[in-house]
Amino acid sequence: QKEVEQDPGPLSVPEGAIVSLNCTYSNSAFQYFMWYRQYSRKGPELLMYTYSSGNKEDGRFTAQVDKSSKYISLFIRDSQPSDSATYLCAMSSWGKSTFGDGTTLTVKP
Amino acid sequence: DAGITQSPRYKITETGRQVTLMCHQTWSHSYMFWYRQDLGHGLRLIYYSAAADITDKGEVPDGYVVSRSKTENFPLTLESATRSQTSVYFCASSGQGSGELFFGEGSRLTVL
Repeated sequence: QKEVEQDPGPLSVPEGAIVSLNCTYSNSAFQYFMWYRQYSRKGPELLMYTYSSGNKEDGRFTAQVDKSSKYISLFIRDSQPSDSATYLCAMSSWGKSTFGDGTTLTVKP
Repeated sequence: DAGITQSPRYKITETGRQVTLMCHQTWSHSYMFWYRQDLGHGLRLIYYSAAADITDKGEVPDGYVVSRSKTENFPLTLESATRSQTSVYFCASSGQGSGELFFGEGSRLTVL
């Protein structure tokens, strides 16, 4: 079983919808929790970074971490066509990051 | 320009040949990483380095060799390429080893 499991998708939503992306993990040693966005044929770029349970908001994006349930989520409000990309969750301990397989999101105008 | 650059961006080679993928970063980050990305497997860690002259294996190190004589460079060598090493390879760096990775644009390798 993988240490990090990500809802596979793909997801297709209309513009303006709220999007929820989710990951679960099994390794209690993970200390840091990240979300990356990856456009086609590009490298992943860091979107959100947290290290504690709770919510962290940045504009239209909210990252949620629940360490007791080993569950993290990314919410995108008022989704835009420019949000169409693959979203990767990642968790880190001792300098190494482990990634989920990614969820591909398409936001239709 | 500051950042992390990979070369070559595209490479086609034959089974058994040696291939080296280059990675250069200008931030003086301590940590550097090599990942491969394949459909159905996501990003998998091949090797990482916490500092110059310190390297360690990741999840899928077999068939790969790395070195880090200088902080800014972290080349990845496939000593004898196999078809299963056809993939997109990403180099990344991090200043503190806390998970905030900065990725290059990737090197797309095809082994025939």
